[in-house]
Amino acid sequence: DAGITQSPRYKITETGRQVTLMCHQTWSHSYMFWYRQDLGHGLRLIYYSAAADITDKGEVPDGYVVSRSKTENFPLTLESATRSQTSVYFCASSLAGQETQYFGPGTRLLVL
Amino acid sequence: ELKVEQNPLFLSMQEGKNYTIYCNYSTTSDRLYWYRQDPGKSLESLFVLLSNGAVKQEGRLMASLDTKARLSTLHITAAVHDLSATYFCAVPRDNYGQNFVFGPGTRLSVLP
Repeated sequence: DAGITQSPRYKITETGRQVTLMCHQTWSHSYMFWYRQDLGHGLRLIYYSAAADITDKGEVPDGYVVSRSKTENFPLTLESATRSQTSVYFCASSLAGQETQYFGPGTRLLVL
Repeated sequence: ELKVEQNPLFLSMQEGKNYTIYCNYSTTSDRLYWYRQDPGKSLESLFVLLSNGAVKQEGRLMASLDTKARLSTLHITAAVHDLSATYFCAVPRDNYGQNFVFGPGTRLSVLP
């Protein structure tokens, strides 16, 4: 039972580079989410997706792009990384309805 | 706009003692979720509370929801060191959606 995985787990990049964080789930959950976690801000939703080809903005979407061509994958792209995007990024998934969200192990991103 | 608050934000307690963490939120919701996060780790689902008066218990933790007061409590009974973690509550922005707003977290430290 692989569950939900994220890659890479750690990433160092430079300002201005494009970075893609991958998220994969094996449960066939309808919903997938991207959060960032920062000291002093807690967890904030970046984007979410209710199904393949359906995505919507969360609280802090600027500077990020998502796509969801397949139910099991939900990549997050930083088009031109900035230092303020240094953070821990968590992917999560859930069944539709009132189910809880299940979180991946996280990706620690450092933008120099 | 939905706001979710927790108190206390930091809690240091001795093993064997009881304590309660509070989560209150600013708009109507019939659902609330509790998560646990160990240092450097991902979030783990603890409880899903789906109606007014809902009470869930797991081991030394008990969570309840009062939707009229817009308040949830997480009660710790006879704390042990293994409960040291950060605890988050989360509330959906609307009653049918999966767009959660997380509280800031309560960092619990249980001292021997």
